[in-house]
Amino acid sequence: NAGVTQTPKFQVLKTGQSMTLQCAQDMNHNSMYWYRQDPGMGLRLIYYSASEGTTDKGEVPNGYNVSRLNKREFSLRLESAAPSQTSVYFCASSEQGRRSSYEQYFGPGTRLTVT
Amino acid sequence: EDQVTQSPEALRLQEGESSSLNCSYTVSGLRGLFWYRQDPGKGPEFLFTLYSAGEEKEKERLKATLTKKESFLHITAPKPEDSATYLCAVLLWGFLLLSNDYKLSFGAGTTVTVRA
Repeated sequence: NAGVTQTPKFQVLKTGQSMTLQCAQDMNHNSMYWYRQDPGMGLRLIYYSASEGTTDKGEVPNGYNVSRLNKREFSLRLESAAPSQTSVYFCASSEQGRRSSYEQYFGPGTRLTVT
Repeated sequence: EDQVTQSPEALRLQEGESSSLNCSYTVSGLRGLFWYRQDPGKGPEFLFTLYSAGEEKEKERLKATLTKKESFLHITAPKPEDSATYLCAVLLWGFLLLSNDYKLSFGAGTTVTVRA
């Protein structure tokens, strides 16, 4: 099993450009998440999808959009990139339900620089 | 406001020198606490889940404990390969009363360096 995969691994954008970060999981998990990680601030939740067909805002959603394409895939889109969006982006997934343990499993990350 | 605070920010240890990391939280109704390990340039790797005060979990040289206000990650006789950033996170329920509407709130982490 690959677990959680993310593409691309690295990306450099100019201010105003758009791009989509891709995430896929092969663990048959229902819930998926997008985080950003900045030095000294920890992981902050951007958007999440509790189940296929639903998406909700997290702590820092401004400037981002998401699509839950199917149960496996959850993409994050930056419509007009800004330097403040320079960060490392992580996708995660988790099983959920009454007997699940709620831990999240993370992908390797996408390192994005906006100039 | 729910908060998760980890201390210290950085910890330098000699190989074999045991120590503890702290994760304190101010959340209304803790449902669970998680510990992760993160190596440079990689995603966080799940270590432990703790659900109730008094609970303990162990894995090799790591032991996690939980009280009503904080959690500790004890590193016993660390080795250089234990060098990493250790993150804690608390489980928060969302606005919807559904079993699948929950989130994790993360602390900023403790970076541990173990010298041979």
